[in-house]
Amino acid sequence: DSGVTQTPKHLITATGQRVTLRCSPRSGDLSVYWYQQSLDQGLQFLIQYYNGEERAKGNILERFSAQQFPDLHSELNLSSLELGDSALYFCASSGRDSYRSGNTIYFGEGSWLTVV
Amino acid sequence: DQQVKQNSPSLSVQEGRISILNCDYTNSMFDYFLWYKKYPAEGPTFLISISSIKDKNEDGRFTVFLNKSAKHLSLHIVPSQPGDSAVYFCAASPFSYGKLTFGQGTILTVHP
Repeated sequence: DSGVTQTPKHLITATGQRVTLRCSPRSGDLSVYWYQQSLDQGLQFLIQYYNGEERAKGNILERFSAQQFPDLHSELNLSSLELGDSALYFCASSGRDSYRSGNTIYFGEGSWLTVV
Repeated sequence: DQQVKQNSPSLSVQEGRISILNCDYTNSMFDYFLWYKKYPAEGPTFLISISSIKDKNEDGRFTVFLNKSAKHLSLHIVPSQPGDSAVYFCAASPFSYGKLTFGQGTILTVHP
């Protein structure tokens, strides 16, 4: 158990719909990261928040948005869903925003999204 | 553009022998490298990391080697155990923060 909690674990929804994935980081961790794992793309970085502020952005679609709340939990919002958005979405957390000094990120178990 | 490549999709090793997983990268800005292990239906689990100022880091049965001139890193597992059977990802980070770029993964199977 990494200490990172993601809900829901599984979600099936129709094209065009909107879903929200939720992540609770490890206790005390200030950074939250979102990754997408699809069959053909592997693990792709989407976005990072640090203490409520956006810190780094990756290949995140404009239809997707995220935020980190004052209690440090984060939500990833996916809208106008397409079949190709079906993937495993991972949240991860770390204590600091830098990989120096051995700062390690810990992953949750992921949220399986199936768009039909 | 695949900046981190794991060219071997799979590796099969006998229990007790050495497993060597390889990873190549192209981005010279990468400063920090990590290895993760992943079981089906679970999130990646951190194994070991190395900073670009080092060429070797050891943690128990796991050793990571970094060859900066060749832009190559490898993970050695000695001795290999059946419980090590999983997908192994290498990942790299630029000098400061944020994005981890992952390789495609190598499936390691350790036979009893």
